[in-house]
Amino acid sequence: ETGVTQSPTHLIKTRGQQVTLRCSSQSGHNTVSWYQQALGQGPQFIFQYYREEENGRGNFPPRFSGLQFPNYSSELNVNALELDDSALYLCASSLAGQGTGTFGSGTRLTVV
Amino acid sequence: AQSVTQLGSHVSVSEGALVLLRCNYSSSVPPYLFWYVQYPNQGLQLLLKYTSAATLVKGINGFEAEFKKSETSFHLTKPSAHMSDAAEYFCAVSEFKNSGYSTLTFGKGTMLLVSP
Repeated sequence: ETGVTQSPTHLIKTRGQQVTLRCSSQSGHNTVSWYQQALGQGPQFIFQYYREEENGRGNFPPRFSGLQFPNYSSELNVNALELDDSALYLCASSLAGQGTGTFGSGTRLTVV
Repeated sequence: AQSVTQLGSHVSVSEGALVLLRCNYSSSVPPYLFWYVQYPNQGLQLLLKYTSAATLVKGINGFEAEFKKSETSFHLTKPSAHMSDAAEYFCAVSEFKNSGYSTLTFGKGTMLLVSP
C-alpha cells in the first residue's frame, strides 16, 4: 500500500508567478484535501476534491484552484503568487466523509 | 465554526518525565478529535483519534489522550518522555459541513522539547 506522495518537495518562485503542486493519493482513497501551513502555525484547510469536483473550500481566494484526476491524484494551482503564500502545502487523502486522512510530506513553497 | 486551542506554544520536559500537552476545543456537536505529530520538514503523522467510543484513547509511541466533555478538553499524555518525542504536536477537530464534506481544524501547535 503506497502512501501519499507530493511533488516537488521544495521550490522557489517569484512574486506574481504561478505554481502547480502535485499529490498522489493513497491507494483506495477517493478524496483529496489540501492544507496550507504557514511558519509557526497549524495547517489551514484550502479545499477538498471528491469525484473530480471541489466539494468544499476554506477561506482562500480564487487564485487558489485545484484539480482531481480519475486516478484520484490532485493538483493545487496558485496564480499571482504573493509573499504570504510562502508556506508548507500539505495534501491529505482519505475516503469520503472519513474526517481525517493520510498526509503527505508536503511541498515547501518560498515566494521571493 | 469549531476551533481548537493548544495551551503553550512550547513545552520542555526532561527525558523520562511525564509529557502533558493541552488541547481544548469548541464544538456545537459531538466532535471527532485528533492528535498529530510533525517532525522537522515532514508531514503530519496521526498519533491517535477519538470518535465517540472510549473516552481514553491509546495511540502510537506510548501516547494517550482522554476526552472530557465537561471540560471540552482532549489533552495528550505520555508517562515517560523519550528524546525521539521531540517534535511539534497538533490537536485537531473534524468538522462535518452541511454540504456533506468534512475537514480538519487545527490548533497552532505545541513544540515539545526533551532534554537529557
